[in-house]
Amino acid sequence: AQSVTQPDIHITVSEGASLELRCNYSYGATPYLFWYVQSPGQGLQLLLKYFSGDTLVQGIKGFEAEFKRSQSSFNLRKPSVHWSDAAEYFCAVGALWDSGNTPLVFGKGTRLSVIA
Amino acid sequence: GAVVSQHPSWVICKSGTSVKIECRSLDFQATTMFWYRQFPKQSLMLMATSNEGSKATYEQGVEKDKFLINHASLTLSTLTVTSAHPEDSSFYICSARDLRGIGIQYFGAGTRLSVL
Repeated sequence: AQSVTQPDIHITVSEGASLELRCNYSYGATPYLFWYVQSPGQGLQLLLKYFSGDTLVQGIKGFEAEFKRSQSSFNLRKPSVHWSDAAEYFCAVGALWDSGNTPLVFGKGTRLSVIA
Repeated sequence: GAVVSQHPSWVICKSGTSVKIECRSLDFQATTMFWYRQFPKQSLMLMATSNEGSKATYEQGVEKDKFLINHASLTLSTLTVTSAHPEDSSFYICSARDLRGIGIQYFGAGTRLSVL
């Protein structure tokens, strides 16, 4: 069965420090992978996606993620965190070129807190 | 990216009344939309898959008579919470996949329902 694991429920980092959020997936088909961010009381915003090609993908707000097939991972990184990055982050996986009737499979999320 | 509009963003109602939430895909057609529920500090819980022109598919444990879904057109799906009670208070989010490309899933901004 498809699944996404985000091992860290809550992470706290200092402003200006680097960040890595972990995501591991289990998916039988060729996966495509996403990271979304959710600010309090808001919907989810797409940060970045991977479906083929270069395994290091760049997203909005200075985020990047690296796809490692051998480790079934798609970790999100940012070299220098800003206070405005405090939010909930969700990793998601889907099947490439499916019918469109299937929602992405989401992890449980990682809450990021940023301290001064 | 594509836009999904959700309305209203916040609604307060009395117990026993019904509330309708609208979800529109603004610049793409969505034959399928998804409705989620989210409790505070928790992940998304898929409630149902809304299919244009046919009945919605509900996840196990979701009362179809309580949460009525109508997908009347390729750009509009509605969720009606019937005879709402305080335990229905939650954050509801709709989503749709843009199948013009790889099927990115876009989200509405969410609706906070408070039942008094």
